Amino acid sequence: QQQVKQSPQSLIVQKGGISIINCAYENTAFDYFPWYQQFPGKGPALLIAIRPDVSEKKEGRFTISFNKSAKQFSLHIMDSQPGDSATYFCAANLGGNTPLVFGKGTRLSVIA
Amino acid sequence: KAGVTQTPRYLIKTRGQQVTLSCSPISGHRSVSWYQQTPGQGLQFLFEYFSETQRNKGNFPGRFSGRQFSNSRSEMNVSTLELGDSALYLCASSEQGPGELFFGEGSRLTVL
Repeated sequence: QQQVKQSPQSLIVQKGGISIINCAYENTAFDYFPWYQQFPGKGPALLIAIRPDVSEKKEGRFTISFNKSAKQFSLHIMDSQPGDSATYFCAANLGGNTPLVFGKGTRLSVIA
Repeated sequence: KAGVTQTPRYLIKTRGQQVTLSCSPISGHRSVSWYQQTPGQGLQFLFEYFSETQRNKGNFPGRFSGRQFSNSRSEMNVSTLELGDSALYLCASSEQGPGELFFGEGSRLTVL
């Protein structure tokens, strides 16, 4: 039972372009939505996170857009660089000490 | 601070055997979570331990078990290994619970 659906599975973007990864969730009680970045041979690392009381959060070139009514959130990577090539996971939880539920991941390749 | 350390990094087992994986969390972190990562399913939650008690459990069969010691180090055990258990097993620690998770590099298990 997948509670967070992530798309696309893979994405190829030109250097300098915008990478967009989308996630949809089912449980309206989710209240924490992080994105994790994983490089080959490494564990995932927290990239950016948002709570549903805001519609957008920006950190450098990375922006989360959150649409509570549509139960969707997305990651935008502006001015994508080859160093951004990695697998990205969206996640969500119910807050408190509940476990994070992850999407299946998006493999991003940024080509020069 | 040292990061999350997982041992062994790679191991090969045969069907029917059992395996024990170890995780040393970041100093001061009391919560340890385990995830199974496979190409088709992404990151799936196994269980979380906090102060030596299992606080959350995912939907895995009883062959998967874990424990946490008084120094917060954790182990997970998989008994009667099946081919489908081949995966990257990731351990993550956090101070109190599943807020920001800090992942190790994982233990890659191959079952033949």
